[in-house]
Amino acid sequence: GAGVSQTPSNKVTEKGKYVELRCDPISGHTALYWYRQSLGQGPEFLIYFQGTGAADDSGLPNDRFFAVRPEGSVSTLKIQRTERGDSAVYLCASSLYGTASYEQYFGPGTRLTVT
Amino acid sequence: SQKIEQNSEALNIQEGKTATLTCNYTNYSPAYLQWYRQDPGRGPVFLLLIRENEKEKRKERLKVTFDTTLKQSLFHITASQPADSATYLCALGGSGSARQLTFGSGTQLTVLP
Repeated sequence: GAGVSQTPSNKVTEKGKYVELRCDPISGHTALYWYRQSLGQGPEFLIYFQGTGAADDSGLPNDRFFAVRPEGSVSTLKIQRTERGDSAVYLCASSLYGTASYEQYFGPGTRLTVT
Repeated sequence: SQKIEQNSEALNIQEGKTATLTCNYTNYSPAYLQWYRQDPGRGPVFLLLIRENEKEKRKERLKVTFDTTLKQSLFHITASQPADSATYLCALGGSGSARQLTFGSGTQLTVLP
């Protein structure tokens, strides 16, 4: 079946602009995660959705970052007033929810470059 | 603060040998630990999960150990092949509703033919 997909694969934007990154999880996966990965580092947690609600948004670095998942499937990560330090690969992952379903399935990521 | 350390940024081994990767953590009590593989330009791919009450897990040529006293996990790839060359990430997970993972920075493994 289809895996997690993310669009766009690459995004170049100017400092101060607004960007939206999209994630399509695996069908039936109720849990969805956003991570950010800088070069040479492991993924860093941003936000976790269970269904439509954000169960944990403690990883969002500041109020310029916001994410939604209105119908419990597709999610959009929104970044306002982008800064050069926001440049990174943004990864989305999904998983089933339950005590036996902890592995996460990652998408290929969106490489964001802020110039 | 929580800290996860993975041994050396890069590890080179000869084909056929066993690769051993280390993951140490501090200020954390994970309910489980996972290992992922990441190839350049791709997202991480899940390999193995081991829970806090388990000592060892195996899957084909892979073996993971978990010592919650030492706060360490070892990841072994036996009979390594050049196709095993990738970055391997250790990730810690909490219990209950805390489903997000905390990742180490990874170890880049190169298996030389």
